[in-house]
Amino acid sequence: GDSVTQTEGLVTVTEGLPVKLNCTYQTTYLTIAFFWYVQYLNEAPQVLLKSSTDNKRTEHQGFHATLHKSSSSFHLQKSSAQLSDSALYYCALRNNYAQGLTFGLGTRVSVFP
Amino acid sequence: NTKITQSPRYLILGRANKSLECEQHLGHNAMYWYKQSAEKPPELMFLYNLKQLIRNETVPSRFIPECPDSSKLLLHISAVDPEDSAVYFCASSPTGVINTGQLYFGEGSKLTVL
Repeated sequence: GDSVTQTEGLVTVTEGLPVKLNCTYQTTYLTIAFFWYVQYLNEAPQVLLKSSTDNKRTEHQGFHATLHKSSSSFHLQKSSAQLSDSALYYCALRNNYAQGLTFGLGTRVSVFP
Repeated sequence: NTKITQSPRYLILGRANKSLECEQHLGHNAMYWYKQSAEKPPELMFLYNLKQLIRNETVPSRFIPECPDSSKLLLHISAVDPEDSAVYFCASSPTGVINTGQLYFGEGSKLTVL
């Protein structure tokens, strides 16, 4: 089956500094799409970024990620973290329409002033 | 996301029966129930496509899904167990050739079992 491995646990960063969350995956299928979901406290997960194109950078709300199928990675980065970026981040993939999303375990980001 | 509504938002139960409801106004063909326990990612429970149940993960038999039409999803829970305490998310996604694979989540129903 599929699996997604993320930077574990808690990542703390000072406001204004860069942040990077790692995501690698294993799959035997021709994967449809890759996602970063963000979940704020007491809210539902929502899509932050999505990609299905190899080696193409995708950006949204100051975050960016590039899918690299050669290294099975989809790392999330932001050059300048904001206090409002404090949240739980999930890397996820989806292989076909008969399946839901396969999530990583999640990475909690805390941004401090 | 007000386009996927869930009710009730919060419920506290003893060993009782209860149903969760979900309705999506996005015109999607696929609908899902996910369970998210504390400090864990969402886990797929059930997946419907065009009202047909096509994924039924290993969940206790006390959870029974129902899809009365393509925009509505129900989750009937009987004789809840403390391990059922979690947030239950409804989600939906489009199907067909124009499909990024993205799932849209409802606000969630937080179940607390006493």
